[in-house]
Amino acid sequence: DADVTQTPRNRITKTGKRIMLECSQTKGHDRMYWYRQDPGLGLRLIYYSFDVKDINKGEISDGYSVSRQAQAKFSLSLESAIPNQTALYFCATSRSLADYNEQFFGPGTRLTVL
Amino acid sequence: AQSVSQHNHHVILSEAASLELGCNYSYGGTVNLFWYVQYPGQHLQLLLKYFSGDPLVKGIKGFEAEFIKSKFSFNLRKPSVQWSDTAEYFCAVNAGGTGGFKTIFGAGTRLFVKA
Repeated sequence: DADVTQTPRNRITKTGKRIMLECSQTKGHDRMYWYRQDPGLGLRLIYYSFDVKDINKGEISDGYSVSRQAQAKFSLSLESAIPNQTALYFCATSRSLADYNEQFFGPGTRLTVL
Repeated sequence: AQSVSQHNHHVILSEAASLELGCNYSYGGTVNLFWYVQYPGQHLQLLLKYFSGDPLVKGIKGFEAEFIKSKFSFNLRKPSVQWSDTAEYFCAVNAGGTGGFKTIFGAGTRLFVKA
């Protein structure tokens, strides 16, 4: 079984719709991250969380929000989707004070906003 | 602010050719360095990492990378590539001795290996 799972794997939606992407992990890690990947831009950090009560903006948080429902779950929401949010979204986890923040990635969610 | 620069966006090689992918970062303090690989249709996986000690690190599948502190570089190498190495490669930097707070990724290099 995968240690970091994401649902859905693919989603097509329309401009203005609210979308939630979910991430779950069984690694027991305390840190979780959401990235988006765009061709030629690599991975850019949207939000990160170091524990259930900790939420931090990354470099491109505008238009997104997150919820850390439990240590194992970290959801990303697009309140009103727009076409330039079409991208591949990755969730990642890491363990604090160990492994020097080596990150473990989920399989990704491909989101298309029409 | 930290940044990571990967010199080549696209690389095309024939099988058995040698590979070197450049990575430079901008940060003056202690860094942890990573190379991740993303095979077509898959998620990112760790290829190798450097925290301290021997600046020449070996990873999976015959890859290695050399940390040159004076050049702020962490180039990835493989003596002889295979068709199965076709993938996108990301260099990443994390500041701080025990992991700091976030990791910065380079833009990625797409490698295509011709059979």
